[in-house]
Amino acid sequence: QVQLVQSGAEVKKPGASVKVSCKTSGYPFTSYGISWVRQAPGQGLEWMGWISVYNGNTNYAQKLQGRVTMTTDTSTNTAYMELRSLRSDDTAVYYCARAYNYATPLDYWGQGTLVTVSS
Amino acid sequence: SYALTQPPSVSVSPGQTASITCSGNKLGDKYACWYQQKPGQSPVLVIYQDTKRPSGIPERFSGSNSGNTATLTISGTQAMDEADYYCQAWDSSTVVFGGGTKLTVL
Repeated sequence: QVQLVQSGAEVKKPGASVKVSCKTSGYPFTSYGISWVRQAPGQGLEWMGWISVYNGNTNYAQKLQGRVTMTTDTSTNTAYMELRSLRSDDTAVYYCARAYNYATPLDYWGQGTLVTVSS
Repeated sequence: SYALTQPPSVSVSPGQTASITCSGNKLGDKYACWYQQKPGQSPVLVIYQDTKRPSGIPERFSGSNSGNTATLTISGTQAMDEADYYCQAWDSSTVVFGGGTKLTVL
């Protein structure tokens, strides 16, 4: 069965970086892309961007351009999301989700990774 | 930027029909999908391409999309359907989520 398993919770100081991993299984990794979505405490869903596992093409939310980098490792079927220059309002649960391409639904989701940014 | 608007909350009695709307400019010209999120859990896709249900989603979930409004309908609502629901569409290669609707079954 399709599974996306994310790395554990992180606590970071303002200005630091965080890198969240998303290990996938149960489907051909290179045939799908990965989207990242975050959810601040008590708030709604915010799309961060998408990466094509096939060719590494990315599409980032304009709000995060310059601070976010999405990558994949096809040898381990793992996707990564790095967010730099962290601020307190980056505190959120970060989800990875499978999407065939950037314009298709997010059909399977990881369990989420809580990132807390606090001094 | 493109925006999707949902009512913050909807209430329904068990066994009745719940309708959750999602409004956006010419939304009917785009595909809409819907996600269900229960407290402490990851979102689950319940409707895609306006009207299609993924495998494993009960038939009581249905969707429509026309004009400026997409609608998620839950027929014969059950207590287990109490959750937050988010609509989602695409605009200029960007994924857009609605603000979410809390469905209360009481």
